[in-house]
Amino acid sequence: DTGVSQNPRHKITKRGQNVTFRCDPISEHNRLYWYRQTLGQGPEFLTYFQNEAQLEKSRLLSDRFSAERPKGSFSTLEIQRTEQGDSAMYLCASSPVPTYNEQFFGPGTRLTVL
Amino acid sequence: DAKTTQPNSMESNEEEPVHLPCNHSTISGTDYIHWYRQLPSQGPEYVIHGLTSNVNNRMASLAIAEDRKSSTLILHRATLRDAAVYYCILNSGGYQKVTFGTGTKLQVIP
Repeated sequence: DTGVSQNPRHKITKRGQNVTFRCDPISEHNRLYWYRQTLGQGPEFLTYFQNEAQLEKSRLLSDRFSAERPKGSFSTLEIQRTEQGDSAMYLCASSPVPTYNEQFFGPGTRLTVL
Repeated sequence: DAKTTQPNSMESNEEEPVHLPCNHSTISGTDYIHWYRQLPSQGPEYVIHGLTSNVNNRMASLAIAEDRKSSTLILHRATLRDAAVYYCILNSGGYQKVTFGTGTKLQVIP
């Protein structure tokens, strides 16, 4: 069990650039989640996949954000035209079926927008 | 989603028991109570969850009030490695959408 992995761990970009993060969940976990966490706050839900289907998106996920999970395995989160307010830790988690079980979180990708 | 209320911070001496409280007065009958913790510079880590009965695992115990409007996470012997932010969360969706609050920052004093 290698756990949930996220790449890159750190990303520094200039305002207006596009960035893409990758999450590799625990194999055979059907469910994958993305969260955003800013300093001093708890993680905020962004979006959720069951297999390749994106089933819910938070209103926090503006039009500049897009997430995919094309083959029901790894997922990518892209932010277009980054803004300074996008600076945060982006966390990925996965969980197996059935419901009410624990979510396994990755170490996160810290984004800094200059 | 139903909300939870936790103290912002708590302190404990090393090797002493720690009781971390959580209020969730608007909990619904199908909400599970989950606890996660987040060590510095890491993603959150599952600790324990329960519905109505008290629960024990290798990390902690969860005591749930009879009316389910509050719960307490119990660390039986705090160690320095237990210093973290502890989140009490209600699982209100079948797909486990989780809403985190600001949690309780636990400091363990050697």
